Formats: sequence, C-alpha cells, structure tokens
Amino acid sequence: QVQLVQSGTEVKKPGASVKVSCKTSGYTFTGYYMHWVRQAPGQGLEWMGIINPSGGSTTSPQKFQGRVTMTRDTSTSTVYMELSSLRSEDTAVYYCARVLTYFGPFDYWGQGTLVTVSS
Amino acid sequence: QSALTQPPSASGSPGQSVTISCTGTSSDVGGYTYVSWYQQHPGKAPKLMIYEVSKRPSGVPDRFSGSKSGNTASLTVSGLQTDDEADYYCSSYAGSNNWVFGGGTKLTVL
Repeated sequence: QVQLVQSGTEVKKPGASVKVSCKTSGYTFTGYYMHWVRQAPGQGLEWMGIINPSGGSTTSPQKFQGRVTMTRDTSTSTVYMELSSLRSEDTAVYYCARVLTYFGPFDYWGQGTLVTVSS
Repeated sequence: QSALTQPPSASGSPGQSVTISCTGTSSDVGGYTYVSWYQQHPGKAPKLMIYEVSKRPSGVPDRFSGSKSGNTASLTVSGLQTDDEADYYCSSYAGSNNWVFGGGTKLTVL
C-alpha cells in the first residue's frame, strides 16, 4: 500500500535552515508528482511547491522562491524539502502529498512534520 | 495567488445535510475541473474526499458529494454523522503551475 513517512519534529532558531524528508513506498516513485503543503498552528493549508520525482524539476509560489529547495533521491524513493532563513512565521506542520495526476488531487499525505522556529 | 474563500464554520444536526462553499475566480475554480475537497480531523493529515469537482475516491461514503457553478464549488454532506465533525478544505489548480487552498471550514455536528 502507498505510504509516505516523514522525518521527525524539528526545533530551529531564526535564520537557520530545516530539511524535511518524505520516504515513499508502495508505488512507482518516479510515476507521480509530489507536493509540499504546510499548516501553521490553528491555520489553513498553504501550498509550498511541487517536484517531479522523475526529472527533479520543481516549481514553487513566489512567496517561497529563493527560500525553499525541493530535491529527491530516486535510489531511496525519498523527497526532501529544505526551507532556509527560517523565521517564527515558518512554525508549522509540513506535509508531503502525492498527486494522482499532474493537476491533482492530493491523494496520499505524509503524517506531517512539526517545525518550530524559536529563539 | 489568493486563497479560496470558505465560510469559517458550518453546522448541522445528525441526519441533516450541510453544504460548504468554496469561492475562487475564473483563474482557478472557475477555469478548471481540478477542484478537490479534504477532510481533516484534529492532529491528523488531510484526507481526500472529492476530486475533479464531483468524483469520490474509493472508500468515501456517497453521503459526500461535490458540485461547481461558475467560480464557486460546493461540498455537500448528507445524513450527517458525528464523525463528520472536522475541518474541510477545498483546493484548485490555479494555472501556470500553481495550486491554491481554501481557508478551511470547521464543520460542527450539533
């Protein structure tokens, strides 16, 4: 069965970077795009970007351009999301989410990774 | 890209029906059939409930249905059950390799 297992809770200081992993199994890794979505405490879902696990190409909204880096390792069927220059507003649960087709929907989600940014 | 507009809250009694709206623009909801809905219980990851406006994934009860008119999509939950109490989010492809979510609606089963 399809599984997306994310790395554990992180606590970072402002200005630092965080790298979250999402290890997949149960399907052909290179056959499905992967997105990253975050959710600040008590807030809604926010789209952060998409990666093509096959070729590695990425797209992210302007808000995150220059701060977010999405990569993948096809040998371990894992995608990564690194967010740099962290600030307190980046405190959130970060999810990886697979899409059924390029346009969506998000059919499988990781369990989420809590990233806390605090001095 | 602005978030899609959802009512902050909705409620209904067990057995009743409730409809949650999701309003966007002609650049997202109105321009594509790639509208989906997600259910999120506290502390859990979102779960896909409706995709491509009105399609239900395997395992989702037929009490959940979706529709769209113009720039507004809707999720209807019929025969409300206590376990339906959760947050619901809509999402749409927004063109030019962008995706957008709604602000979320907290559904309370009275």
